[in-house]
Amino acid sequence: IVLTQSPGTLSLSPGERATLSCRASQSVRSEYLAWYQQKPGQAPRLLIYGASSRTTGIPDRFSGSGSGTDFTLTISRLEPEDFAVYYCQQYDSSITFGQGTRLEIK
Amino acid sequence: QVQLVESGGGVVQPGRSLRLSCEASGFTFSSYAMHWVRQAPGKGLEWVAVISYDGINKYYEDSAKGRFTISRDNSNNTVSLQMTSLRVEDTAIYYCVRMTTSATKIYGFDVWGQGTTVIVSS
Repeated sequence: IVLTQSPGTLSLSPGERATLSCRASQSVRSEYLAWYQQKPGQAPRLLIYGASSRTTGIPDRFSGSGSGTDFTLTISRLEPEDFAVYYCQQYDSSITFGQGTRLEIK
Repeated sequence: QVQLVESGGGVVQPGRSLRLSCEASGFTFSSYAMHWVRQAPGKGLEWVAVISYDGINKYYEDSAKGRFTISRDNSNNTVSLQMTSLRVEDTAIYYCVRMTTSATKIYGFDVWGQGTTVIVSS
C-alpha cells in the first residue's frame, strides 16, 4: 500500500490550524493507521494510532480522522514546538510510511 | 525507564556485512514484537523487518529479503539485524522500534531507539 501525503511542505504561523493529508493507494482499516512527528536529529514519535486515538502524553490539539483511503492529521492551534516533519503509516498490509509533510514556520 | 539503545553502525564497503544490535530495558521485552526501521539521509522512513515476541515469525521488506536477518535473544533483551551484501542504498540511520499490541488493538510504533548510522561506501 502506497501512502501519499500532502502537501509536501506546509508553511503556517503559530496559532494557526494545520491540516495534513494522507491518501492510501487502497483501503486501509482505520485501526491500522498511525501518525508520527519527527524533529531534526531525533527519532520519530508516535502521535496517533488507530487513525484517531492519541497516544499517552500527546496534547489534545492533535487529532486524527479519516477512513478507507483518506486520513487527516489536524493540529488545531500550532505551538512553536509543533513545527516538524509528520509521517503517516499503515500496518494493514505489510508496513509502509508516507513520504512526510514538512510543517514549517511562515 | 523504557529504552532502546542501538549499536553496531559504522562505515562498510559495498558487499560487506554488518551486525546491528539493540538492547531493551524498562519493559518486558519478551512480550513485544520488535522492528527495524531505517531512514536514508534527508529521506523518509522505511520499514525493514519485524520479529515476533517469541522469535518464531520474521518478515522483511522486499529489498532486505535474502540479505538481512532479524533475530532476538529474550534472555538478554536484545534484537539484532545481520546485514549482508550491503549496498550503497542501504546507507541510513537504523532505528530499533517496539510495537505495542493487545488482543484487540495495535498501538503503533510507540518506542524508538536513538538510531545507529550505517554508511556503505567504497
